[in-house]
Amino acid sequence: AQSVTQLGSHVSVSEGALVLLRCNYSSSVPPYLFWYVQYPNQGLQLLLKYTSAATLVKGINGFEAEFKKSETSFHLTKPSAHMSDAAEYFCAVTGGGNKLTFGTGTQLKVEL
Amino acid sequence: ETGVTQSPTHLIKTRGQQVTLRCSSQSGHNTVSWYQQALGQGPQFIFQYYREEENGRGNFPPRFSGLQFPNYSSELNVNALELDDSALYLCASSSGSERETQYFGPGTRLLVL
Repeated sequence: AQSVTQLGSHVSVSEGALVLLRCNYSSSVPPYLFWYVQYPNQGLQLLLKYTSAATLVKGINGFEAEFKKSETSFHLTKPSAHMSDAAEYFCAVTGGGNKLTFGTGTQLKVEL
Repeated sequence: ETGVTQSPTHLIKTRGQQVTLRCSSQSGHNTVSWYQQALGQGPQFIFQYYREEENGRGNFPPRFSGLQFPNYSSELNVNALELDDSALYLCASSSGSERETQYFGPGTRLLVL
C-alpha cells in the first residue's frame, strides 16, 4: 500500500522568496511520484513527475523536486515565488497499480 | 488535441436521488480513473476503467458504479445519494501504465441537499 504525507496544510511566502513544499511517501514497491497543482474551481494540472530516471526532476513554471529514497521524500521547490503560484499543491504516488494516492494538499499563499 | 472534458460542471441533487456524471478522455488514452475530492481534502480514488473493464476500485460502496464505452469515454453513476457525497468529482485519462501521467478534467461539483 502507498501513502503520502504533506507537512504543512498552509504555507505562506513573500514574492521572490524560496518555495519549499514538503512531501514524504510510504510505498512497499518502488514508487512513481507526482506533484499536481490545483487553482480555484479547476481540475489538477501536472507540475512534474519522478519515474525512476533522474532523481532531480524539473517541471513547469520553474518548479523542481528531488527524489530522496533514504529520506522517503519528494519535496517541491521553486527558487523565486510569483503571485501566480498561489494555489493548492498535491503530492501523489503510484506503485503496484495505476491509482494515484494523494496527500491532503498544501495551500500556498504568496504575499507582496 | 482535445483534453479531458467533464459534464455537467455543477449539479444539485437531493438525498436518495441518482446521478450520472460524464467524462470524455483525451485522444489516444484508453484508461479513465475517477476521483472524489471533498472540500479541503485530497482526491480519493473511486475506480478505474481500462478498455471497458473495471481495473481497480477504491474504498467506495457499490452504489458508486461506472461504465466505459468503446470510444473510451466514461460515466460515473451514484445511486441513493447521501449528503456526504457532496464533492468535486474528477475524471482523469491516461494510457494505462502507472508511470504515465493522468490528465485531469475540470471536474463536476455535486451538491446533495
